[in-house]
Amino acid sequence: SAVISQKPSRDICQRGTSLTIQCQVDSQVTMMFWYRQQPGQSLTLIATANQGSEATYESGFVIDKFPISRPNLTFSTLTVSNMSPEDSSIYLCSVYTGGETQYFGPGTRLLVL
Amino acid sequence: QKEVEQNSGPLSVPEGAIASLNCTYSDRVSQSFFWYRQYSGKSPELIMSIYSNGDKEDGRFTAQLNKASQYVSLLIRDSQPSDSATYLCAGRNFNKFYFGSGTKLNVKP
Repeated sequence: SAVISQKPSRDICQRGTSLTIQCQVDSQVTMMFWYRQQPGQSLTLIATANQGSEATYESGFVIDKFPISRPNLTFSTLTVSNMSPEDSSIYLCSVYTGGETQYFGPGTRLLVL
Repeated sequence: QKEVEQNSGPLSVPEGAIASLNCTYSDRVSQSFFWYRQYSGKSPELIMSIYSNGDKEDGRFTAQLNKASQYVSLLIRDSQPSDSATYLCAGRNFNKFYFGSGTKLNVKP
């Protein structure tokens, strides 16, 4: 399995601001994903981060709100733009190496006031 | 129908008992199946995977797959309070993953 780190681990932000979350993997991986998990809820896939091209967004998520970068095979960022309290959530990066299954990073806990 | 469905629980069992967690899946999920454990405030961690019909055992955990009936289960023997967590069932079809909503397990001392 891969070792995944995320920064920041948590943050408290003001409404209307933006936050960029970083995800770093210790090895090259085939696919990287970004999930959101709202309090007491299950995982919701935001998008698949594609290396060298635009991310693939799931229904209900748009690039203007959640721009994603993936400049190489070990790193990705997710920005939560123009935040509102409804964006308060845990944001999780995960990776798929083409082997068994996905592995998750430790998550970023975001509170928007 | 969602691709992967689970009873949200909570499922309460006494310490030392067998906890049985169940999951059903749709035709869109076909290749392999996984159980993740998620403690409150933590990220999901993989505990079991299963690819073929039958049982797979790993310590106190047994995963069962029945492709004809399209269900996956996880048995936890000798349940401990430390097993109290939310258990997520997931399935994979090529590079697409589908997660259930999770079952909350409470193991009472």
